[in-house]
Amino acid sequence: NAGVTQTPKFQVLKTGQSMTLQCAQDMNHEYMSWYRQDPGMGLRLIHYSVGAGITDQGEVPNGYNVSRSTTEDFPLRLLSAAPSQTSVYFCASSYSGMAGETQYFGPGTRLLVL
Amino acid sequence: RKEVEQDPGPFNVPEGATVAFNCTYSNSASQSFFWYRQDCRKEPKLLMSVYSSGNEDGRFTAQLNRASQYISLLIRDSKLSDSATYLCVARTRGSNYKLTFGKGTLLTVNP
Repeated sequence: NAGVTQTPKFQVLKTGQSMTLQCAQDMNHEYMSWYRQDPGMGLRLIHYSVGAGITDQGEVPNGYNVSRSTTEDFPLRLLSAAPSQTSVYFCASSYSGMAGETQYFGPGTRLLVL
Repeated sequence: RKEVEQDPGPFNVPEGATVAFNCTYSNSASQSFFWYRQDCRKEPKLLMSVYSSGNEDGRFTAQLNRASQYISLLIRDSKLSDSATYLCVARTRGSNYKLTFGKGTLLTVNP
């Protein structure tokens, strides 16, 4: 099992550009989520999905879109990048997302918006 | 007030020391609690779930006090490899899918 994979590892964007951060898992997990991690802020939930075709907003969803067309993939789209979106982005998955379950995180994508 | 608050740290301890991390949560509906470990520039990984009765895993002991809304992590006989950031995490009843993370406490174990 590769677990949770994320691409790219690093990305530099100019303000206003759009891009998609890719996330895939091969553990047949129903629940997937995206977090951003900023210095002094901890991880904050952006969007999550409890299964294919179902997504919902987390704590900081503005400026981001998601879709879940398959169980395996959960891409995060930045519509028009802003410097405030400079961060480290982590994708995570778990079997059902229910209480007590381990969340498995991908290695992260480091994004710099100029 | 942040929903999950941790000791700001950083903690610098010698090898073999015992170190304790404290965490408080403000939402009384928080139901499940975890400690995650995050190495520098790496992803978080689950260290321990925290149960009401307290639980131990080798050198690590986690405790939960629901009345005080307080969680702790004790590391005994600390090793150089314990150097990392420790994240306190809560899940709220009724928000089954959402984890709330503390900012983390950095631990450096020195030789």
